[in-house]
Amino acid sequence: NAGVTQTPKFRILKIGQSMTLQCTQDMNHNYMYWYRQDPGMGLKLIYYSVGAGITDKGEVPNGYNVSRSTTEDFPLRLELAAPSQTSVYFCASSYSGEGPYEQYFGPGTRLTVT
Amino acid sequence: ILNVEQSPQSLHVQEGDSTNFTCSFPSSNFYALHWYRWETAKSPEALFVMTLNGDEKKKGRISATLNTKEGYSYLYIKGSQPEDSATYLCARLSGTYKYIFGTGTRLKVLA
Repeated sequence: NAGVTQTPKFRILKIGQSMTLQCTQDMNHNYMYWYRQDPGMGLKLIYYSVGAGITDKGEVPNGYNVSRSTTEDFPLRLELAAPSQTSVYFCASSYSGEGPYEQYFGPGTRLTVT
Repeated sequence: ILNVEQSPQSLHVQEGDSTNFTCSFPSSNFYALHWYRWETAKSPEALFVMTLNGDEKKKGRISATLNTKEGYSYLYIKGSQPEDSATYLCARLSGTYKYIFGTGTRLKVLA
C-alpha cells in the first residue's frame, strides 16, 4: 500500500498562473480532504468529499476547486494563483464505515506564489 | 469556545519528565475528537480517536482523556523521550465530516 500520495512535492507559481495538485489514495477510502497549513496556524479544511461525484466546501474554499470522478483521486485546482495561497497543502483520506476513523495524510505539497 | 484551542503552544521538557497538554473545543454538536502526532518534515499520524465522554485511550507511554460535557481533552506523555519531540494536534469532528484542527502543541524533549 502506498497510502496517500501527492504530487508535486514542491512548486513555485507566478501570480495568476494555474495548477492542479494531485492526490491519490489506494486504501479504497470514501472520504477525502484537502487542507492547507500556514505558519503558526493549524490545518484549515479547504474542500472535502464523501465519495465519487460528491464534494463540499470547507472553511477556506475561496480560490480553489475540486473534483472527485473516482474513489482514488481528489485533485485540487488553483485557477488564478495569489500570494495568499502560498502554503503547504495536505491531502487526507479516511474510511467511511461505522466510524469515526482517523485520517491518513499525504506527504504534502509546498507551494510558493510570487 | 468557538474554536479548537490547544495549550501550551510549545514546551520543552527534560528526558524522563512526564507532561500533558490540553485541547479545548465547543461542547455542542460533538461527534469525535482526534489526536495526531506530527513530526517535522513528515505528515500527521493518528494517535487516538475518541468519541464518548469519559473515554480514556492509551498507546505505550501516551494516553488521552476526553470530557465532552465541558469540552476538553488531555494528552499525557509519561517518561518523555527525545523521539517524542513533535507537534501534537487535536481535531474536533462535528457531524458533518468537517474537522476543525487546533494549532498544536510543539513538544521538545531534551536529552
